[in-house]
Amino acid sequence: EAGVAQSPRYKIIEKRQSVAFWCNPISGHATLYWYQQILGQGPKLLIQFQNNGVVDDSQLPKDRFSAERLKGVDSTLKIQPAKLEDSAVYLCASSSEGLALSYEQYFGPGTRLTVT
Amino acid sequence: KQEVTQIPAALSVPEGENLVLNCSFTDSAIYNLQWFRQDPGKGLTSLLLIQSSQREQTSGRLNASLDKSSGRSTLYIAASQPGDSATYLCAVVSYNTDKLIFGTGTRLQVFP
Repeated sequence: EAGVAQSPRYKIIEKRQSVAFWCNPISGHATLYWYQQILGQGPKLLIQFQNNGVVDDSQLPKDRFSAERLKGVDSTLKIQPAKLEDSAVYLCASSSEGLALSYEQYFGPGTRLTVT
Repeated sequence: KQEVTQIPAALSVPEGENLVLNCSFTDSAIYNLQWFRQDPGKGLTSLLLIQSSQREQTSGRLNASLDKSSGRSTLYIAASQPGDSATYLCAVVSYNTDKLIFGTGTRLQVFP
């Protein structure tokens, strides 16, 4: 079974530029998550999708971050414009359980973003 | 608000030692607790998941215990190896948030 795929693996941009990350979850997983992990900290949930609907985006900085999950499969996370404090690893995860979150989440390799 | 703390923040031990990593959480109303491993530059690998009704889970040289009433979990690593070097994260899902809340991790180095 293929794992969660993410691209690109690394990205370096200047502040005020825009950037997009892509995630392909494990086949059949209805729930998809985007996390932000700042160096030295644990991951923080940005947004959670159930199929192609948003379940929780309470910690997503909506003035600059956006995410979509078309057709309930792949997802993209965009930052526009980027700030220095957005430098982090962006992790995508998926799970087969729905809203209860009682099953395991499977994580992709992450995208390391550096904003200069 | 659920807070997850991991102690120690870093640990360096010689190969062969048995290790205990600690995780504590402030709200005992949880669905489950997971232990993850993160290698430098890599994503998270799930090691063990303990449901709220369980007391422990074992996988190979790893054993995780859960004491919900005291808000604690421990990850026991037997006969540590250099390949165990990584950051270990614990995370809980609380009833009132439905989110996976992570600790800051324990960075483990096992030297030959």
